[in-house]
Amino acid sequence: AQSVTQLGSHVSVSEGALVLLRCNYSSSVPPYLFWYVQYPNQGLQLLLKYTTGATLVKGINGFEAEFKKSETSFHLTKPSAHMSDAAEYFCAVSETGTASKLTFGTGTRLQVTL
Amino acid sequence: EPEVTQTPSHQVTQMGQEVILRCVPISNHLYFYWYRQILGQKVEFLVSFYNNEISEKSEIFDDQFSVERPDGSNFTLKIRSTKLEDSAMYFCASSDQGSQPQHFGDGTRLSIL
Repeated sequence: AQSVTQLGSHVSVSEGALVLLRCNYSSSVPPYLFWYVQYPNQGLQLLLKYTTGATLVKGINGFEAEFKKSETSFHLTKPSAHMSDAAEYFCAVSETGTASKLTFGTGTRLQVTL
Repeated sequence: EPEVTQTPSHQVTQMGQEVILRCVPISNHLYFYWYRQILGQKVEFLVSFYNNEISEKSEIFDDQFSVERPDGSNFTLKIRSTKLEDSAMYFCASSDQGSQPQHFGDGTRLSIL
């Protein structure tokens, strides 16, 4: 069975500061890893994904994440936070293969202050 | 950019009534999914659907739930006799290949009274 742990249900940063949202996963097989963002009253929007290849992946809106197998981590970062980044962020894992379900973490709400 | 669309955005139903949630996946996608998010909790997988049959379902997806692709565009989730604990946001998702990222709709908020 797969699982995802997101440390910190709420993270607050100042505008312009580094954003770091933590995600650790558990999987018995090589995983596919994803970060999704959810703005209020909206669905889940894909930020970035790791499937194979380069372990540092870049996504939309200046976000990136690094897959570290030895640490079973896939932390999300952004060098400089913007007010528009305020949202809920979900890390998710799936197995490789067809029609694989996503297993989500509990989410981290990012607050950006002036 | 193609989108997954869900209707209605908000559904209010009396306990014990049947409800059908509708989704139009992205047109060239072949894999379809339903997830739910109870208020304040994480997003949970319900069911995946491919080639006109269920690929996988979770423990949540009991006999009260069913899915159907009645035509070439719609994908529906039916709850036969709703319970209070079915109140949640229900998300539909689709992908063009099983291993590719899933694209989500904006969800249907289901409120059971």
